[in-house]
Amino acid sequence: DIQMTQSPSTLSASVGARVTITCRASQSISRWLAWYQQKPGKAPKLLIYRASSLESGVPSRFSGSGSGTEFILTISSLQPDDFATYYCQQYDNSPTFGQGTTVEIK
Amino acid sequence: EVQLLESGGGLVQPGGSLRVSCAASGFTFSTYAMAWVRQSPGKGLEWVSSISGGGGSTYYADSVKGRFTISRDNAENTLYLEMNSLRAEDTAVYYCAKDQPGYDNSSFLIDDWGQGTLVTVSS
Repeated sequence: DIQMTQSPSTLSASVGARVTITCRASQSISRWLAWYQQKPGKAPKLLIYRASSLESGVPSRFSGSGSGTEFILTISSLQPDDFATYYCQQYDNSPTFGQGTTVEIK
Repeated sequence: EVQLLESGGGLVQPGGSLRVSCAASGFTFSTYAMAWVRQSPGKGLEWVSSISGGGGSTYYADSVKGRFTISRDNAENTLYLEMNSLRAEDTAVYYCAKDQPGYDNSSFLIDDWGQGTLVTVSS
């Protein structure tokens, strides 16, 4: 199985801050990577697919980059609604998720 | 609007069986691959199983292979997960999830999720 490793596990930031989350794959997955946002007690929500394509309806402050084994999710200006846990997921083959990154209020 | 409504969760003893269901609406169910993803309490997400739109291709995580069976009834727009030989580590919220269009295969990219049903395996 392909292992997905996110860093950091927890991130404290202020409203308006620029935030980056890294996801590394144990082997190349080309650009078959998605990012999800999950709030407590809710289902995950797709933000980004194919590493950098923004899902319809997702604010443009979210962006994704990378290919191969290293990927980044960037929130350009953190908003109160963005405090949540973020997961990367590879879908190159048998899908696997990262362990999650929780974005907390500083 | 896509709606995915899970049901059938509950408390089951170790070694027991349970079937969870997902009623889908708001899209042409038979043309989309579907999946089950679970989340243990306070933990991360784990893909469990996927099925092609036509039902002819199924995929399983190693952790459930041989114990769980995914199936679908396209006439009833319903997805199922039959779980046998349940273990304590299967305790989780089970999410029904919509994949991409695919009659013969699954892309494993999920773009819609249900609200989940809790399965607790305990004596």
